Amino acid sequence: NAGVTQTPKFQVLKTGQSMTLQCAQDMNHNSMYWYRQDPGMGLRLIYYSASEGTTDKGEVPNGYNVSRLNKREFSLRLESAAPSQTSVYFCASSERGVGYEQYFGPGTRLTVT
Amino acid sequence: AQKVTQAQTEISVVEKEDVTLDCVYETRDTTYYLFWYKQPPSGELVFLIRRNSFDEQNEISGRYSWNFQKSTSSFNFTITASQVVDSAVYFCALSERIEGSQGNLIFGKGTKLSVKP
Repeated sequence: NAGVTQTPKFQVLKTGQSMTLQCAQDMNHNSMYWYRQDPGMGLRLIYYSASEGTTDKGEVPNGYNVSRLNKREFSLRLESAAPSQTSVYFCASSERGVGYEQYFGPGTRLTVT
Repeated sequence: AQKVTQAQTEISVVEKEDVTLDCVYETRDTTYYLFWYKQPPSGELVFLIRRNSFDEQNEISGRYSWNFQKSTSSFNFTITASQVVDSAVYFCALSERIEGSQGNLIFGKGTKLSVKP
């Protein structure tokens, strides 16, 4: 039972390059989330998916797109990376939405030069 | 305005001291949930506790205890007899049952706890 897995663990991109961060959970959870963590800012929600087939914007969605590929997988895409997207990205899942604890993946440390 | 405020940015204690991490939240909802997470130096986020707004009983789990007070909108976390392994960043978070919310967590900015031997 791996919980929430994320790939890659580290990535360096040049400005303008694109990439997809992968996330998968094996807990049969309905809801999945993408957060970014910046120094002194806590975690901020980028996008979430309440259930398979639905996605919605969070607090900081600009520059990102997501895909809920199936119940297990939720990917985050940067179409044209910018230095402001240098951050640590966390994927999380929960059984349902409000009131349920979220379980987090190990994070992806992304640097955009 | 911040919905979750952790006023203590950094705390440093010596092993075996007790330490309390403060969390103050803001919501108009009557039904909401509060959480604490631990982020050790390795970087992962570890769930510690969930509390709903209707349950004001304090909770104790080993050396950890939580004090939830609706009257002051606070959900404080105390570590008794701290150990070096408690060194981490601790986050308080809020989940509200408001229209459009899908359960996303609103995090405070975290308190970095350093426990020195």
